[in-house]
Amino acid sequence: SQQGEEDPQALSIQEGENATMNCSYKTSINNLQWYRQNSGRGLVHLILIRSNEREKHSGRLRVTLDTSKKSSSLLITASRAADTASYFCATLYQAGTALIFGKGTTLSVSS
Amino acid sequence: GAVVSQHPSRVICKSGTSVKIECRSLDFQATTMFWYRQFPKQSLMLMATSNEGSKATYEQGVEKDKFLINHASLTLSTLTVTSAHPEDSSFYICSASPRAGGPGEQFFGPGTRLTVL
Repeated sequence: SQQGEEDPQALSIQEGENATMNCSYKTSINNLQWYRQNSGRGLVHLILIRSNEREKHSGRLRVTLDTSKKSSSLLITASRAADTASYFCATLYQAGTALIFGKGTTLSVSS
Repeated sequence: GAVVSQHPSRVICKSGTSVKIECRSLDFQATTMFWYRQFPKQSLMLMATSNEGSKATYEQGVEKDKFLINHASLTLSTLTVTSAHPEDSSFYICSASPRAGGPGEQFFGPGTRLTVL
């Protein structure tokens, strides 16, 4: 399976704290994307980072990509209760056309 | 923005019946559509990739005779779960890639929750 791994599987923090999630993948990628999914709902696209980029920001989100380690991280700063959701990385492999999703991290932010 | 719809959003059916799920790109033409399945507390697993006017490509372990995919137009793909069984109960999500989109640009539908009794 090409599916990547994410860690941690679950993360519980207090409002205002930062949350960091990591994603590892297996082969060369074209780009890597992060998505959020609230319980039982559809996906929300958060950010895309290309293979030639190392870091990207969007509001309270910061994504890094290390192609030598085949890993990416998503940092959510100053978390809010509304950030409670599952977060998935999805990779577009160079030889593929579809996004392949990681196993996801379930984030719980308590107020 | 690009919108993808799915219908129905929820469906409950009896074991042995067939269920059809529609995926539509509302404001763009999609050369490629993808179908994913998500079991509770798990990630999305790619089931198949379909290109308009050609047969779908199924991922390993996905039965093509059980999960029939038709991509008859640039805005519509359908997934038919034939002879559904309780183990087919899942959240089915489609996505569509715009004709002029960038690499990996996929717009996701809101999903269809299938419950087989």
